[in-house]
Amino acid sequence: DAKTTQPNSMESNEEEPVHLPCNHSTISGTDYIHWYRQLPSQGPEYVIHGLTSNVNNRMASLAIAEDRKSSTLILHRATLRDAAVYYCIRKGAQKLVFGQGTRLTINP
Amino acid sequence: DTGVSQNPRHKITKRGQNVTFRCDPISEHNRLYWYRQTLGQGPEFLTYFQNEAQLEKSRLLSDRFSAERPKGSFSTLEIQRTEQGDSAMYLCASSPLSGSSYNEQFFGPGTRLTVL
Repeated sequence: DAKTTQPNSMESNEEEPVHLPCNHSTISGTDYIHWYRQLPSQGPEYVIHGLTSNVNNRMASLAIAEDRKSSTLILHRATLRDAAVYYCIRKGAQKLVFGQGTRLTINP
Repeated sequence: DTGVSQNPRHKITKRGQNVTFRCDPISEHNRLYWYRQTLGQGPEFLTYFQNEAQLEKSRLLSDRFSAERPKGSFSTLEIQRTEQGDSAMYLCASSPLSGSSYNEQFFGPGTRLTVL
């Protein structure tokens, strides 16, 4: 199961937008792109998912490249509570295949 | 319903002992998953159930590991003859078969195992 590629860490300021990139160059046509985040000492939490079109929900937006080889998770206005490890996941069957994720630090 | 619960939250054991963890999924969630997470790494898939049927097992799940979901509700994960390399956070997740949350897995807080 091929994993996605994400930067190890990113830093942003409170109340600013955050763009978290993810590369999945070998993704198949039927794999969904899922994002989860994990706050300290908690289990992962679902954020958003998509297949081809850009997606929005109350937590974030997901922008998927036209060739589907990359995607970007967008937090429109980061808060201190958004500090977490963010995982970009290819999901074909039932299991989630996590990589190492991006550790996001939010500065006050 | 307050979400997925796992017990115990922490377990310290000596090498060679057997341990058992319990997971109670969100009620009416048909699918249940087990993952293992070591320090600094993302979770790794171990196995999943749909109702009482165990449909997929990872190669990580050696013959010392066994998982059950006898009545399609709670699940147990047993590790026999524990080794220090088994020290990790064991995460359980559940998901429904249909509905608006169909594509989400809801995770519990995990059981942290330390093998001395």
